[in-house]
Amino acid sequence: AQTVTQSQPEMSVQEAETVTLSCTYDTSESDYYLFWYKQPPSRQMILVIRQEAYKQQNATENRFSVNFQKAAKSFSLKISDSQLGDAAMYFCAYRNSKTSYDKVIFGPGTSLSVIP
Amino acid sequence: DGGITQSPKYLFRKEGQNVTLSCEQNLNHDAMYWYRQDPGQGLRLIYYSQIVNDFQKGDIAEGYSVSREKKESFPLTVTSAQKNPTAFYLCASIKATQGASEAFFGQGTRLTVV
Repeated sequence: AQTVTQSQPEMSVQEAETVTLSCTYDTSESDYYLFWYKQPPSRQMILVIRQEAYKQQNATENRFSVNFQKAAKSFSLKISDSQLGDAAMYFCAYRNSKTSYDKVIFGPGTSLSVIP
Repeated sequence: DGGITQSPKYLFRKEGQNVTLSCEQNLNHDAMYWYRQDPGQGLRLIYYSQIVNDFQKGDIAEGYSVSREKKESFPLTVTSAQKNPTAFYLCASIKATQGASEAFFGQGTRLTVV
């Protein structure tokens, strides 16, 4: 069975600095998708960034980028120029790509604080 | 605007009662999911449905039941058999297309046993 691990329950970063959140996963599949979701205090889940396993190029979305290491099964999220609005829970997630309906598996989350 | 609507936002249950959480989507998504969120445990899958009139158990289905009579609706019933139902419940949906389709989420229901 696939699993997702986030080894940092809590992280903090100074405003305007850079922070990296770690995620590792376990799977025997070769094709899959990886996601980072943000959950602010409102508890609404928001997609931050996605990565397709067959793409070697790391995904980027404005201040957010990933470091995808397929062989190591690692998928870290880098937030540059951190802003107060980045404070939230961040969840790493995995989904197989063999079927379009496959369930999404989430890690336990990392709580990010941004210090003014 | 398209989206997923969960209701109610807050729900209180007495011991021994069944309660039903509503989840409706107008995104024309095929697959729908129910997750439970507890502090420090992330999101755990309760049930999911890929098509109308069909659904599968997730990792923590005991004490819960679902139905999928319409594509747009996927209600979750928390039965009296669920011994620790106090949690935050999230409903999600995915469009059945190729590619990295992400899950869209509702705003959640906070269930408390009183």
